[in-house]
Amino acid sequence: DIQMTQTPSSMPASLGERVTISCRVSQGISNYLNWYQQKPDGTIKPLIYYTSNLQSGVPSRFSGSGSGTDYSLTISSLEPEDFAMYYCQQYDSSWTFGGGTKLELK
Amino acid sequence: EVQLQQSGPEVGRPGSSVKISCKASGYTFTDYVMNWVKQSPGQGLEWIGWIDPEYGSTDYAEKFKKKATLTADTSSSTAYIQLSSLTSEDTATYFCARYTTDYYYFDYWGQGVMVTVSS
Repeated sequence: DIQMTQTPSSMPASLGERVTISCRVSQGISNYLNWYQQKPDGTIKPLIYYTSNLQSGVPSRFSGSGSGTDYSLTISSLEPEDFAMYYCQQYDSSWTFGGGTKLELK
Repeated sequence: EVQLQQSGPEVGRPGSSVKISCKASGYTFTDYVMNWVKQSPGQGLEWIGWIDPEYGSTDYAEKFKKKATLTADTSSSTAYIQLSSLTSEDTATYFCARYTTDYYYFDYWGQGVMVTVSS
């Protein structure tokens, strides 16, 4: 099974700050790496799919990059509504999620 | 507008079963595979399995093969997950999520259903 290591597990940050969350997978996954946001009320929505494609309706301050085994999600300038949980997800015949990153207000 | 509306919270006794639903609207139910995801309290996300409503075919993560049963009713555009032989480990929130084959990601999610196992 593919293992996923998402870092950091928590991240204090300030409004307007640029932040990057990383996800490392145990073997190459041909860029089938996605990112999701989970709000405190539990609702989950996709942000980025297939490494770098922005989901419709998601602000352009979100971006994704990576290849092979290393991927990242970047938020260019934090807005109040961005403080939430973030999960990476890979597909390689089945799906696995990273452990999550809690983005907190510093 | 695509919506996945899940049923309300459930309480199950240890050893019993619960069945929760996910009603789809705003798209053709049989055109998309439905997935289920588990989130234990304070924990991350685990993929449980998927069902293709058109054919009734399913696939499960190894860990959930004896725990979960996925079904779908095309007449009501509703997907179901039944959890059997409940233990405290099954206390969690369960999400349904529509899967798009274009890029293998989940483009719409239900709001989640809390299942509590308690005697």
